[in-house]
Amino acid sequence: LAKTTQPISMDSYEGQEVNITCSHNNIATNDYITWYQQFPSQGPRFIIQGYKTKVTNEVASLFIPADRKSSTLSLPRVSLSDTAVYYCLVGVLSGSARQLTFGSGTQLTVLP
Amino acid sequence: GAGVSQSPSNKVTEKGKDVELRCDPISGHTALYWYRQSLGQGLEFLIYFQGNSAPDKSGLPSDRFSAERTGGSVSTLTIQRTQQEDSAVYLCASSLGWWGNTDTQYFGPGTRLTVL
Repeated sequence: LAKTTQPISMDSYEGQEVNITCSHNNIATNDYITWYQQFPSQGPRFIIQGYKTKVTNEVASLFIPADRKSSTLSLPRVSLSDTAVYYCLVGVLSGSARQLTFGSGTQLTVLP
Repeated sequence: GAGVSQSPSNKVTEKGKDVELRCDPISGHTALYWYRQSLGQGLEFLIYFQGNSAPDKSGLPSDRFSAERTGGSVSTLTIQRTQQEDSAVYLCASSLGWWGNTDTQYFGPGTRLTVL
């Protein structure tokens, strides 16, 4: 069964760098990896997207190894407002079918 | 509008009744997605539209669930004979283009469905 897994939760302190990893063993060949942030009672919001190697934007970096079976979202110098649930989104192969699958989500709690 | 809108924001219904949930995507977005998020759980893909057609219905949990999209814009998710396990937040998203996971999905605020 194709699965996309993430740690359930992580704690960090303000100002620290946070790395959240998503495992996606059966990622489809042409699929990108996208990360979203979700606050309570809101829909997910796009953070960053990549296909391979490293991508950086104004809020995060995304590291993808050559085999693309995992990806790591890196948040530099987190603040209290970064407390949220973070999801990866990939297309995975399940038999011959491709399924769009969100990871299980990681609850990040930033402490003062 | 500026973003994806969904209505109603909250819906309480009795077991066995039918419900309709509406999604208005961002103007010009050809792709539209429905997801379900149960309390404290992750996001479960339900169905995807490209224009008015639905090339991927693989996530619909049963034949009580159906969705349509008209005019390449508004979409309606219908749940017939609702059950208590249908209680969840139903999220809609839209994106500019195609089913390649390369287009950013913009999410609406969701409809919270409670089946008593």
